Amino acid sequence: QKEVEQNSGPLSVPEGAIASLNCTYSDRGSQSFFWYRQYSGKSPELIMSIYSNGDKEDGRFTAQLNKASQYVSLLIRDSQPSDSATYLCAVENFGNEKLTFGTGTRLTIIP
Amino acid sequence: DVKVTQSSRYLVKRTGEKVFLECVQDMDHENMFWYRQDPGLGLRLIYFSYDVKMKEKGDIPEGYSVSREKKERFSLILESASTNQTSMYLCAIAPSSYEQYFGPGTRLTVT
Repeated sequence: QKEVEQNSGPLSVPEGAIASLNCTYSDRGSQSFFWYRQYSGKSPELIMSIYSNGDKEDGRFTAQLNKASQYVSLLIRDSQPSDSATYLCAVENFGNEKLTFGTGTRLTIIP
Repeated sequence: DVKVTQSSRYLVKRTGEKVFLECVQDMDHENMFWYRQDPGLGLRLIYFSYDVKMKEKGDIPEGYSVSREKKERFSLILESASTNQTSMYLCAIAPSSYEQYFGPGTRLTVT
């Protein structure tokens, strides 16, 4: 059974600080990793994709991947109240077209 | 921009009714997915289609069927709705490289 684990939170971070969200996965063959943001009552929105070990930056967001440790993280710099949402980690299932999702981490940015 | 639409945002049905949820994309993408999302359980794959008339069971197909007669349209069918099928239903498409894009979702209540 392929698994993706995230701390459910809630994670509370002061406005302007760095929010750090973590995810571990069990399938060693996985090559593609994604972060989705989901506001309450809305559908998930893809915000970051990462395929290689190391860091990938996009604006205030940085995704980090360490395949040896089977660990992927998302950093949000200069956190804003609008970043308050649930963040879902998703991992490709090696050998098929599917993704396995974590249950999400609820992030609250405190003004 | 990827555009995925779902037939209803909110739906209320009675136990035993046959329910159709429809998902439509505006491009020619092959891979389409149906998920349900429940608190604490995350996103779970119900069915997946990789082309017209082609389908594959996901993790929780029991009580559901699907239809894909045209490339742009993927329907989820609840043959006889039950209260444990009350959930948020999300359709997704995957244009390339495992990235999935979600529709707005249908919140189904079965009474």
